[in-house]
Amino acid sequence: QVQLVESGGGVVQPGRSLTLSCAASGFTFSSSGMHWVRQAPGKGLEWVAVISYDGVNKFHGDSVKGRFTISRDNSKNTLYLEMNSLRAEDTALYYCANNLAGGAPLSWGQGTLVTVSS
Amino acid sequence: QIVVTQEPSFSVSPGGTVILTCALSSGSVSTSYYPSWYQQTPGQAPRTLISSTNTRSSGVPDRFSGSIVGSKAALTITGAQADDESEYYCVLYMGSGIWVFGGGTKLTVL
Repeated sequence: QVQLVESGGGVVQPGRSLTLSCAASGFTFSSSGMHWVRQAPGKGLEWVAVISYDGVNKFHGDSVKGRFTISRDNSKNTLYLEMNSLRAEDTALYYCANNLAGGAPLSWGQGTLVTVSS
Repeated sequence: QIVVTQEPSFSVSPGGTVILTCALSSGSVSTSYYPSWYQQTPGQAPRTLISSTNTRSSGVPDRFSGSIVGSKAALTITGAQADDESEYYCVLYMGSGIWVFGGGTKLTVL
């Protein structure tokens, strides 16, 4: 079955960088678009970014545009989120999710926690 | 800026039917927005219930259904059960690769 395992979270100071990873298995990763979605403590879901199956098309939400970059390595079945210029408001649980034919998030990982604090 | 709006909270009696909605701050929701619905209980990852308006995910009971009702996307729960008590989120496709989640509805079953 589909398995998505996020890693790379931790505590980081404001202004610093962090890269998250999402290891995928149980489906054909190279044929599936992928999303990042985050959830601040006690808050709702916020869509962060999406990447097409081949990595050519990438889109980011307004709150992270210019600071975060989604990417993937199909040879490693891994999705990434490079986060730069981190702010306190980026503190959240970050989930990766696959999609079907470019659609909405479908299967979800368990998330990795990013805390931005001095 | 377009906002996706859901009822902040809703209550349903066990065995009852509830319709949760997902609306746009400007305009009507149609199938072109590919509305999807998610269930989340505390401490757990979201679970996909419905994709592309009305496609039920594998393993989701058929008492969960999705549709367009008037100008909104809707999630109908028929025969509500105690373990349906959760937070429910919708997401809409805004075009140009952008997705936006609603603020979520906290459903109480009592």
